Amino acid sequence: GAVVSQHPSRVICKSGTSVKIECRSLDFQATTMFWYRQFPKKSLMLMATSNEGSKATYEQGVEKDKFLINHASLTLSTLTVTSAHPEDSSFYICSASREGGTDTQYFGPGTRLTVL
Amino acid sequence: KQEVTQIPAALSVPEGENLVLNCSFTDSAIYNLQWFRQDPGKGLTSLLLIQSSQREQTSGRLNASLDKSSGRSTLYIAASQPGDSATYLCALGAGSYQLTFGKGTKLSVIP
Repeated sequence: GAVVSQHPSRVICKSGTSVKIECRSLDFQATTMFWYRQFPKKSLMLMATSNEGSKATYEQGVEKDKFLINHASLTLSTLTVTSAHPEDSSFYICSASREGGTDTQYFGPGTRLTVL
Repeated sequence: KQEVTQIPAALSVPEGENLVLNCSFTDSAIYNLQWFRQDPGKGLTSLLLIQSSQREQTSGRLNASLDKSSGRSTLYIAASQPGDSATYLCALGAGSYQLTFGKGTKLSVIP
């Protein structure tokens, strides 16, 4: 149980286009979902926290207008990278938690974004 | 602000050896600590979760310990196998849902 999927697993896009990444909890309802990004040889960095039906809470330094997060249901959250640029190329990982707070986070497999 | 350090950054051992990965943190006010495994280009797999009230957790060949007073955790891997080769990350859970990750230790087990 507690499986989280991400789609797509890999995406290549042209600079200036927008890319949507989906994160789904397959066998449980996730009150809270998290979005992380990871640069090569760096730590995972939390980008934002989203609760179902509420606006996402973004970490300092993360542009909310560039990284649009929608948590429309208890099993789906989406991250849209708008007007992508090469510096947005990264590995994006989502996680989902049944109850939020200190509850266990279950991680998706990640999405590799390459912006040309 | 919580800072998490993992030493060494990389480790190479022959198959069959027992090994220890280290994680240190600066703020002992944590709810839990998790150890993850990440294969190249893949997401994270949770290995062990230790609540702040616990001292250790075991799963198969893995044993994780937590010493909040000294700000340290170790992940012990017994009888290492080539399939254990991956990057191992520790993450501290504190308030506001957040996990703070270390940069990881890249483990290579040589057949």
